[in-house]
Amino acid sequence: DAGVIQSPRHEVTEMGQEVTLRCKPISGHDYLFWYRQTMMRGLELLIYFNNNVPIDDSGMPEDRFSAKMPNASFSTLKIQPSEPRDSAVYFCASSFWGGLGDTQYFGPGTRLTVL
Amino acid sequence: AQKITQTQPGMFVQEKEAVTLDCTYDTSDPSYGLFWYKQPSSGEMIFLIYQGSYDQQNATEGRYSLNFQKARKSANLVISASQLGDSAMYFCAITQGGKLIFGQGTELSVKP
Repeated sequence: DAGVIQSPRHEVTEMGQEVTLRCKPISGHDYLFWYRQTMMRGLELLIYFNNNVPIDDSGMPEDRFSAKMPNASFSTLKIQPSEPRDSAVYFCASSFWGGLGDTQYFGPGTRLTVL
Repeated sequence: AQKITQTQPGMFVQEKEAVTLDCTYDTSDPSYGLFWYKQPSSGEMIFLIYQGSYDQQNATEGRYSLNFQKARKSANLVISASQLGDSAMYFCAITQGGKLIFGQGTELSVKP
């Protein structure tokens, strides 16, 4: 079975440009998570969805960040406008039922560099 | 709020020996789950092992086992018979309302 798929794997852009990261969760998983990993802040959750509905977006850093999940097999994380401090690895993860022992499976990540 | 502490930024172990990676947590929830993930230099996050707060026995998965001490709020990962491929970052995480809260990680280097 295919795991979580993310694209692009690498993105280099200039400050002020719009960036869109994409994620396809594992088929049948009802929960989707977006994480950001930086040296300074480690791994932090940005937002997560249950059945395509955003449940908790308290980790979204500011209004420049937005995330959508138009259907069960696709989600986007958009940064507009991008800034150098947004440079990080962005992970998408999915899980089956979101309960206590439910494992989150991570995609390979998108390494974003904002110049 | 939940919190995970991993006090060992880096560790070395000789190939074929066992190693313990420390993880302590703080939570007020009676029910919680603890996870360990491995992140090799290639960057992906790989699930290793899970321990539920009400599980009576320590979790084991192949060469990985969890030394779960609930009263001490610790969930240390034990890797037996270390292999060169075990060199990676290791993250401990705790569940919080469907989310995972991660520690800062421990970088493990396995020496031949």
